[in-house]
Amino acid sequence: GAVVSQHPSRVICKSGTSVKIECRSLDFQATTMFWYRQFPKQSLMLMATSNEGSKATYEQGVEKDKFLINHASLTLSTLTVTSAHPEDSSFYICSARARTRGGNTEAFFGQGTRLTVV
Amino acid sequence: DAKTTQPPSMDCAEGRAANLPCNHSTISGNEYVYWYRQIHSQGPQYIIHGLKNNETNEMASLIITEDRKSSTLILPHATLRDTAVYYCIVRDPNSGNTPLVFGKGTRLSVIA
Repeated sequence: GAVVSQHPSRVICKSGTSVKIECRSLDFQATTMFWYRQFPKQSLMLMATSNEGSKATYEQGVEKDKFLINHASLTLSTLTVTSAHPEDSSFYICSARARTRGGNTEAFFGQGTRLTVV
Repeated sequence: DAKTTQPPSMDCAEGRAANLPCNHSTISGNEYVYWYRQIHSQGPQYIIHGLKNNETNEMASLIITEDRKSSTLILPHATLRDTAVYYCIVRDPNSGNTPLVFGKGTRLSVIA
């Protein structure tokens, strides 16, 4: 199936600093990518929809100035957590939809990024 | 997208079949049933999907009731590596480039 690569897989940063997470579609182009956040023992919660060449769409309660999304090419979306605080510590996951060999469009996910803010 | 209901957790002995149920009584005619799983500290992985016929692939089988109000994911010979959270999602594949919405899923523990 299609491959979505996320980097880094783990990051530890100091409180107040910014962290950038990259999400790449390796063998297909993605005009839209999705960013999720997952706290321990909870389900994935959609944060925002990243649109190539235009502004991201944020879910209610997600601060757009804190979670900066840039989708400058058809294969790369980045999520920057600005002025990180310990409560931002979470598992961040990106996703993109791609057409499979069977002709269906399926969602594929990155490996996730474990962010720890100390 | 229609709402789904899954048991929060299940145990299964290694080598036995794991049968994971999902209720989706409000499913509409255009919506398919999708199953994903998430192994600890990894992103979700697609397993299988279907509309009304039973489906089988190298990972699992999907049994959908005739009225489509419920389905069962079957892992025929569960291994320890199948320990994960399994998500049942109903979705219209023609709904455009929209995100998947995850419920709480079923935490499957495969026991040696």
